[in-house]
Order: sequence, then structure tokens, then C-alpha cells
Amino acid sequence: QKEVEQDPGPLSVPEGAIVSLNCTYSNSAFQYFMWYRQYSRKGPELLMYTYSSGNKEDGRFTAQVDKSSKYISLFIRDSQPSDSATYLCAMSLGDDKIIFGKGTRLHILP
Amino acid sequence: ETGVTQSPTHLIKTRGQQVTLRCSSQSGHNTVSWYQQALGQGPQFIFQYYREEENGRGNFPPRFSGLQFPNYSSELNVNALELDDSALYLCASSGRGNTEAFFGQGTRLTVV
Repeated sequence: QKEVEQDPGPLSVPEGAIVSLNCTYSNSAFQYFMWYRQYSRKGPELLMYTYSSGNKEDGRFTAQVDKSSKYISLFIRDSQPSDSATYLCAMSLGDDKIIFGKGTRLHILP
Repeated sequence: ETGVTQSPTHLIKTRGQQVTLRCSSQSGHNTVSWYQQALGQGPQFIFQYYREEENGRGNFPPRFSGLQFPNYSSELNVNALELDDSALYLCASSGRGNTEAFFGQGTRLTVV
């Protein structure tokens, strides 16, 4: 079993829809949870960073962490064509390595 | 823009050669990590440097080595290049004890 599982997609949704992206993980010791956005041939851009369980909102983005289920989610409201990218979930035990999912390719259709 | 810069942006090398990739960390950050991202995969941790010392290493062979300099910039060296080393190499900087890491744009290495 991989440490972090993420559906690679592609996921296609119409502009304006709510997007839901998810990851599951196996290591219950993970404490830090992140979502990165990566455009083609670019480096990952940090979108959301949360510690332990709970929700965090930043503009159109909401991150949720459910440690009891080992499940994290990213919601994008009022999706825009510029949101089309690969979204990487990531997690860490502390200040050492970050473990990434494979990424979900998202297409927002105008 | 994150303030993390990598050079070069693209590189083509021949199998068996050696390569050095460079990274300048974001101002105020003293920790640099290197990741390898193969096509269609998530980044894989290579190693991390804190105050010029290696501080954690992923599942990569010893021919992957690194350095961190007093100004916290860093180099990744790969010896005896193999075709499977073709990937996007990413540098991330962070403050000590803070997992909030910011990535550069990456160096795309092609081994032929």
C-alpha cells in the first residue's frame, strides 16, 4: 500500500462548478497536510497548508483534514479555466521530507 | 513567484556523465530540500540540507549528492547518469522546523 493515494484523473468540470479533490493516506503519524498546484512544466505552488485535523479556507479554496479516516480534501468553489492544472496533495511528519500523491489533473471547461 | 530560483532550466546530458544543479533559497529560509519528479508522478524526496549539513535522505543511491553553502544556496550533483534519471528536479526552501516549503520552477534534465 502506497503511503499517499490520489486519483490521477483527469477530472473535467464546467466553469463555475465546485471541484472536490481527495487523497487517502496510510501513516497515522502525519501531522502536516498540504495542497500544491502545478501548471505544466512549472514547479509546484503551495495553495493550502494545515496542521492536524480540521478545515481551512482561503478565498475560493477550502482544505479539510479528517485524521480519523486518514482522508484529506480540497474544494474549489466557482472554478475558473485558470484553475486547470495538476493538484498534488502532500503530507509530512515534521520538518523532514514531504510525501506527495501522484497528482490529479483538473480541466475546467469554459 | 516564490523567490526560489534554480539553474539551469533545461539540461541534456549523456548517460554516464555527471551533472550539477543549483538552487538559491528564499530569503530568510535556511533549509533546502531536493525532489525528483518523473513524468506523471508526484515529487520524490532526495535529501534535505540544514545549515550545510545533510538532514534526511530519501531512497536514492549515493551517486546523488549535495551541498549547502553558508548563504543557504545549494547544489545537487548526480554522477554516472542513467536514462531513468531523466526528470524534473525541484528545489524547495523552508524555515527550520517549518514544513511550509516553497518550490522553484525546477530543472528539467534529459539523459540520452
